[in-house]
Amino acid sequence: DSGVTQTPKHLITATGQRVTLRCSPRSGDLSVYWYQQSLDQGLQFLIQYYNGEERAKGNILERFSAQQFPDLHSELNLSSLELGDSALYFCASSAHRANTEAFFGQGTRLTVV
Amino acid sequence: GENVEQHPSTLSVQEGDSAVIKCTYSDSASNYFPWYKQELGKRPQLIIDIRSNVGEKKDQRIAVTLNKTAKHFSLHITETQPEDSAVYFCADNSGGGADGLTFGKGTHLIIQP
Repeated sequence: DSGVTQTPKHLITATGQRVTLRCSPRSGDLSVYWYQQSLDQGLQFLIQYYNGEERAKGNILERFSAQQFPDLHSELNLSSLELGDSALYFCASSAHRANTEAFFGQGTRLTVV
Repeated sequence: GENVEQHPSTLSVQEGDSAVIKCTYSDSASNYFPWYKQELGKRPQLIIDIRSNVGEKKDQRIAVTLNKTAKHFSLHITETQPEDSAVYFCADNSGGGADGLTFGKGTHLIIQP
């Protein structure tokens, strides 16, 4: 157990819908990262928050957004869903902003039908 | 954008033999290079990492080497065991402002009994 909790584990939804994925980082970790894993694109960095502020952006679509709350949990919002958004979404947390081990949650498997 | 190339995509070795996975990176500012192991249906887990101020690091049967001049780093697993079978990902910290990780496409390591 990494100490990073993601909910839900599985999510099935229709095209055009909006979903919210939730992540609770390890106790004491200030950084939260979101990654998308698909068969064709591999593991792709989406976005990072550090202590409530957006820190870095990767290949995140405009239809996707995230935030980190005062209690440090984070949510990833995916809207206007398309079939191609079906993937495994991982949250990871680390203690510092950079260059330290990132601990991954178990992931949320999103299926868009 | 910045990328990490990983080879081979699949590697099959006899139990007890050594396995080597190689990665190259493009961002000269990268200074953190972790390796993650992902078993089927599970989260990525850090197995070893190296920072740019050292050239080699060992942890029991696992070692990583880094050549900053050539911009490549390698994972070496000796005396392979069946439980080493998994997908291995290399990464650097070139993702979105030097905090997010940019991952290679992964290597599926198969240990033949």
